[in-house]
Amino acid sequence: SQQGEEDPQALSIQEGENATMNCSYKTSINNLQWYRQNSGRGLVHLILIRSNEREKHSGRLRVTLDTSKKSSSLLITASRAADTASYFCATVPGSSYKLIFGSGTRLLVRP
Amino acid sequence: DVKVTQSSRYLVKRTGEKVFLECVQDMDHENMFWYRQDPGLGLRLIYFSYDVKMKEKGDIPEGYSVSREKKERFSLILESASTNQTSMYLCASSPGLAGGAGELFFGEGSRLTVL
Repeated sequence: SQQGEEDPQALSIQEGENATMNCSYKTSINNLQWYRQNSGRGLVHLILIRSNEREKHSGRLRVTLDTSKKSSSLLITASRAADTASYFCATVPGSSYKLIFGSGTRLLVRP
Repeated sequence: DVKVTQSSRYLVKRTGEKVFLECVQDMDHENMFWYRQDPGLGLRLIYFSYDVKMKEKGDIPEGYSVSREKKERFSLILESASTNQTSMYLCASSPGLAGGAGELFFGEGSRLTVL
């Protein structure tokens, strides 16, 4: 079962622009996490936001969480060509040990 | 830095072969996971383990088994490989976290092709 669904599936922007990706999920969560994956590589954790938090920042990343709408967004500001990657949200239902991933957003940042 | 090492980056096997995918982590993490990743389907959880000799089925355990004899090592076994098991396999580990899973640390992945 897929808990998180990202939107859009693909995004192409110019270097310097901001990139926004959205994630919707279905059931109550303990936390929500965002990961990045360069082509053919493993995933790298970016940020974790807990269910009682509304916004979190890490460098050029800003994540928001709206539990009433069961949605989250990831904003990358002042994008760089090196940000080109796939981005996944992952949710932790309840007190589970499991992370359930969405199908990802492919981001292309054009130089 | 946490390191999760998967034994093989690329494997080619024949239908019916037994396949072992090995994963080792060096940070004394309690939890370990095996996912498979297919285009358009994201990552799907096959099995996970929250302690030595403990395992739980994920969302797609059919055709797979796992072994965790030591805390640092989590093996995924395909008893009789089939072509629909051609995929990227990702191992991950995480520390125990009260109240739910925390950050996962992933290996680089093992791309398996079954002919």
